[in-house]
Amino acid sequence: DIQMTQSPSSLSASVGDRVTITCRASQTISNYLNWYQQKPGKAPKLLIYVVSKLQSGVPSRFSGSGSGTDFTLTISSLHPEDFATYYCQQSYDKPFTFGPGTKVDIK
Amino acid sequence: EVQLVESGGGLVQPGGSLGLSCVGSGFTFRSYWMSWVRQAPGKGLEWVAYIKEDGSEKYYVDSVKGRFTMSRDNAKNSLDLQMNSLRAEDTAVYYCARYTSWGNDAFDIWGQGTMVTVSS
Repeated sequence: DIQMTQSPSSLSASVGDRVTITCRASQTISNYLNWYQQKPGKAPKLLIYVVSKLQSGVPSRFSGSGSGTDFTLTISSLHPEDFATYYCQQSYDKPFTFGPGTKVDIK
Repeated sequence: EVQLVESGGGLVQPGGSLGLSCVGSGFTFRSYWMSWVRQAPGKGLEWVAYIKEDGSEKYYVDSVKGRFTMSRDNAKNSLDLQMNSLRAEDTAVYYCARYTSWGNDAFDIWGQGTMVTVSS
């Protein structure tokens, strides 16, 4: 199985900060990497698919990059509604595995 | 509005069985792979299973193989997950999710989730 890791596991930031979350796969996954946002008590929401494509309706302050095994989610300027947990997920091979999540909370 | 609505969660004893259902609306259900993803309390997301558009192919995570069975009825826009021989570690919120396999290769629509608790 492909293992996904994320760093950091949590971070504290302020509104307006630039935030970067890293995701690493245990083997190459080409560009089959997605990012989800989850708020407490809610279902996950797709933010970015195939590394860098923004899902419809997602603000442009979210961006993704990377290739092979190393990927990054960047929030250019944190808004109050962005405080949440973020998960990466690979669709390269089954089982489709998720990273452990990165919790972004208010400093 | 595109949406998925799950039902069927509840409390079940270890070794027992439970069936979950998910109904899709606002999109052409028969054109999409569908999946179940679960989340244990306070934990991360775990993909459980998914099924091809016509039901001809199914894939399961190793931990549920032989115990869980996924099926679909495209005439009713519905998806089922039959869970047998349940264990405490199956306790989780179970989400139904649409998987878009052309271009997106991602879970782009999620239901609200249904809670399954396995406990005596």
